[in-house]
Amino acid sequence: DIVLTQSPATLSVTPGESVSLSCRASQGISTSIHWYQQKSNESPRLLIKYASQSISGIPSRFSGSGSGTDFTLSINRVESEDFSVYYCQQSYSLPLTFGSGTKLEIK
Amino acid sequence: EVQLVESGGGLVQPGRSLKLSCAASGFTFSNYYMAWVRQAPKKGLEWVATISTSGSRTYYPDSVKGRFTISRDNAKSSLYLQMNSLKSEDTATYYCARHYSSYLNWFAYWGQGTLVTVSS
Repeated sequence: DIVLTQSPATLSVTPGESVSLSCRASQGISTSIHWYQQKSNESPRLLIKYASQSISGIPSRFSGSGSGTDFTLSINRVESEDFSVYYCQQSYSLPLTFGSGTKLEIK
Repeated sequence: EVQLVESGGGLVQPGRSLKLSCAASGFTFSNYYMAWVRQAPKKGLEWVATISTSGSRTYYPDSVKGRFTISRDNAKSSLYLQMNSLKSEDTATYYCARHYSSYLNWFAYWGQGTLVTVSS
């Protein structure tokens, strides 16, 4: 199974700061990584597909990068509505797996 | 607008069975792979099952293989998850999700979830 390791587990930031969240795969997965946001008591929402491809309706401050084993979700100038948990997911091979999440909290 | 509405969750004893349902609308259901993803209380996300457009192919992780069965009724735009031999570790919110296309890729849309609690 492909293990996805997300870091840090928790990130404390001030609104207006820019942040980068990491997702590392246990083996090379090309760009088959996708990012989700899950706000408290809500369902996950797709943010980025195939490492860097944008999703309709998602604010442009969210962007993704990486290939192989190292991936990054970047948020340019965090807004109050962005404080939530972020998960990465791989579709390179079965079983489909998720990272354990990064919680973005207000400092 | 894509809508996925789960039902069927509840409290069930260990070893018993439960069947979840998901009613889909807002898209041509038969054109998409569908899936179940679960989330244990205060934990992360875990993929549980995926079914092909016709229902002829199903996919599971080892943690549920042989105990859970995913199925669909394209005429009713409905997805199901039959869960047998339930264990306490199956306690979770179960989300119905639509894959992006006719393949196992990302989860483009999610339902609101239904809570399954396995306890005596």
